[in-house]
Amino acid sequence: GAVVSQHPSWVICKSGTSVKIECRSLDFQATTMFWYRQFPKQSLMLMATSNEGSKATYEQGVEKDKFLINHASLTLSTLTVTSAHPEDSSFYICSARRGAGYTFGSGTRLTVV
Amino acid sequence: KQEVTQIPAALSVPEGENLVLNCSFTDSAIYNLQWFRQDPGKGLTSLLLIQSSQREQTSGRLNASLDKSSGRSTLYIAASQPGDSATYLCAVIEVGSNYKLTFGKGTLLTVNP
Repeated sequence: GAVVSQHPSWVICKSGTSVKIECRSLDFQATTMFWYRQFPKQSLMLMATSNEGSKATYEQGVEKDKFLINHASLTLSTLTVTSAHPEDSSFYICSARRGAGYTFGSGTRLTVV
Repeated sequence: KQEVTQIPAALSVPEGENLVLNCSFTDSAIYNLQWFRQDPGKGLTSLLLIQSSQREQTSGRLNASLDKSSGRSTLYIAASQPGDSATYLCAVIEVGSNYKLTFGKGTLLTVNP
């Protein structure tokens, strides 16, 4: 079946530094990937839609300059949290659409200290 | 704006019991509805996908139904097992949303041995 690999699974960084999260589709080409954020006991909130070869589309309220998304190939999308602050600590999950369904990465737990 | 509601928020049952999780959505113009399972600190695993033209889908002990006109879906789990303990999320893709998933907040299921 379709597999999406997400790395790292967890990361701790100092306030003010940047963190990159990778999402790879292993056995299919993903022209579109989605990036979500999830707070404890809350549902997934869509941050942005990543399209291969073009600029990402951000949801209302998501800072484009803070959450940089790159989708340079059909199998790789990256999310970079720039100048991270403690309030950016959260669980980030990517997803790729395949056919009518969606496949999700295993998520990245980001803790900013 | 599409809103997805899941009831109950949490459910605790003894092993072997049959149970029903509920999902409702406000806008019936959807492409499909998908049920996911999320284990603590992990990504999402797709369980069942129901196209808007379908009434139900079955996979093993799981059965999902869809009543698009009333904006409701149920996930039926037969003969529950402790390994079924997880958070169950439903999500819809609304027509005209550029294939974005809108999630409910989930139902936290605990199956006690």
